[in-house]
Amino acid sequence: SAVISQKPSRDICQRGTSLTIQCQVDSQVTMMFWYRQQPGQSLTLIATANQGSEATYESGFVIDKFPISRPNLTFSTLTVSNMSPEDSSIYLCSVENLSGNTIYFGEGSWLTVV
Amino acid sequence: GENVEQHPSTLSVQEGDSAVIKCTYSDSASNYFPWYKQELGKRPQLIIDIRSNVGEKKDQRIAVTLNKTAKHFSLHITETQPEDSAVYFCAASRKNNDMRFGAGTRLTVKP
Repeated sequence: SAVISQKPSRDICQRGTSLTIQCQVDSQVTMMFWYRQQPGQSLTLIATANQGSEATYESGFVIDKFPISRPNLTFSTLTVSNMSPEDSSIYLCSVENLSGNTIYFGEGSWLTVV
Repeated sequence: GENVEQHPSTLSVQEGDSAVIKCTYSDSASNYFPWYKQELGKRPQLIIDIRSNVGEKKDQRIAVTLNKTAKHFSLHITETQPEDSAVYFCAASRKNNDMRFGAGTRLTVKP
């Protein structure tokens, strides 16, 4: 499976600020995704990061709040904008393997908003 | 869209016993069903998956069964060990950007 690196791994953020999370994969992948996992909850898909075009957002998530970039086939960023305590979550980057349909997760970024 | 329900939410077993976690899905077009294990403070790790063209798959102490007619699939862990304690998530999808996760099952294996 691909090696997926996320930065930062953890951060404590002030209310009203924005934070950008980076996801780097050690090989080219077609599909990259961003998930959110709120404390004690399941995983929710935020958006699909499309290379060279705008991300595809799931219901309940909007570009102004979660802008995403994907400049190439190995890298993506997710920004959490104008943060509030409700944004305290784990944010996970994930990729599809080359044979398709298998999703692997990065180590996650644990964000706490105070 | 797809809706995945997972039961039970918590499960406690004695070491050496078997554990079974069940999930149901709503979209009959779903064709891929992975299971993830998440230990405290760590990312979800894929432990086993099954595609709709098979009914059962086994990997050592872990097995997954799929009933397409009834739209349910289950995870079976035999000879449980304390290190099996974690939260387990099932998921279903018909294409990768449509994967939906169950709510999770917290498994505790008591020594």
